[in-house]
Amino acid sequence: EVQLVESGGGLVQPGGSLRLSCVASGFTFTNHFMTWVRQAPGKGLEWVASIKQDGSEKNYVDSVRGRFTISRDNSKNSLYLQMNSLRAEDTAVYYCARDRAGIIYWGQGTLVTVSS
Amino acid sequence: QSALTQPASVSGSPGQSITISCTGTSSDVGGYNYVSWYQQHPGKAPKLMIYEVSNRPSGVPDRFSGSKSGNTASLTISGLQAEDEADYYCNSYTSSSLVVFGGGTKLTVL
Repeated sequence: EVQLVESGGGLVQPGGSLRLSCVASGFTFTNHFMTWVRQAPGKGLEWVASIKQDGSEKNYVDSVRGRFTISRDNSKNSLYLQMNSLRAEDTAVYYCARDRAGIIYWGQGTLVTVSS
Repeated sequence: QSALTQPASVSGSPGQSITISCTGTSSDVGGYNYVSWYQQHPGKAPKLMIYEVSNRPSGVPDRFSGSKSGNTASLTISGLQAEDEADYYCNSYTSSSLVVFGGGTKLTVL
């Protein structure tokens, strides 16, 4: 059974940092792109970033480029999102997802709240 | 990176058919056959309903179908059922190796 389990969300002040983690199981992690998608309260889905199987290609939505860094540790079947210089508009549920397009498997999401 | 354009809401009665459109550009929807559709119920993670324009994952009823013409993709749900009431999102791969979602459509089953 494929499982994606996120952690690391919480309350952070504007300008602060947070690191999200996602542990994957039930599939061969090194065979798949991995992606972060977020959803602000009451809003739609927004693709945030994706990373290639070997980490050699990383892509970001314009609004987070330069502030967020996606990474993976294939030895630990883990995906990460380092979020710096956080803003109120980054408040959202962050989902870890397998693949980049046609995403079948999603985590349960972790809530990030940016507020003073 | 502009979001794909979807109608904010659509509605239909049980048994009827509805279609949700998703309009992009030649750099995303029109340029690639990597359009997907997702269903999301309140408080739940999205569920993939259609991938690569018109393919259904295992377990998705054949009442759900997808198509594309030019820069516009469409999701059609036939034989509407009460449990189809949800938010629906399209997404597409883009020419910049990015991914873009539509703004979402709220489907109401009357």
